[in-house]
Amino acid sequence: DSGVTQTPKHLITATGQRVTLRCSPRSGDLSVYWYQQSLDQGLQFLIQYYNGEERAKGNILERFSAQQFPDLHSELNLSSLELGDSALYFCASSAPGGGEKLFFGSGTQLSVL
Amino acid sequence: GQQVMQIPQYQHVQEGEDFTTYCNSSTTLSNIQWYKQRPGGHPVFLIQLVKSGEVKKQKRLTFQFGEAKKNSSLHITATQTTDVGTYFCAGDRITSYDKVIFGPGTSLSVIP
Repeated sequence: DSGVTQTPKHLITATGQRVTLRCSPRSGDLSVYWYQQSLDQGLQFLIQYYNGEERAKGNILERFSAQQFPDLHSELNLSSLELGDSALYFCASSAPGGGEKLFFGSGTQLSVL
Repeated sequence: GQQVMQIPQYQHVQEGEDFTTYCNSSTTLSNIQWYKQRPGGHPVFLIQLVKSGEVKKQKRLTFQFGEAKKNSSLHITATQTTDVGTYFCAGDRITSYDKVIFGPGTSLSVIP
């Protein structure tokens, strides 16, 4: 158990819909990262937050947005969903001064039908 | 943009054989990390290398960071079925835009 909690584990929805994925980092970790992993694909970096502020942004679509709240949990919002958005979405956290060593949650499997 | 590549993409070995995966970056890395993802699981941190030419060992696993800090390798001696999974390298602080960019991974299958 990495200490990073992601909910829900599975999400099935239809095209055009909007969903919210939730992540609670390890206790004490200030950074939260979101990654997308499609079937047989690597881990695509989406966005990083540090202590409530956006730190870095990857190839995140405009239809996607994220935020980190004062209690450090984070949410990834995916809207106007398309079939191609079906993927495993991972959240990871890292400790301050931890050298970006990432601890991953178990992921949310999103299926867009 | 920044590219982190890994070869091979897939590797099938007989149990007891050695295995090596190579990671190459188009730019100099601040450090490199290796992760393992078991089938159906999530990536798990294995190790981080920071210094040029650094070599670290974890039991049967040997990790190297190149002198130019642009490449790295992971070598597993005498593979076991528990080694099955995908091994990812990840580069840190590559550009001001990208953060912890992962390579595409090498999927290892071990035939008992």
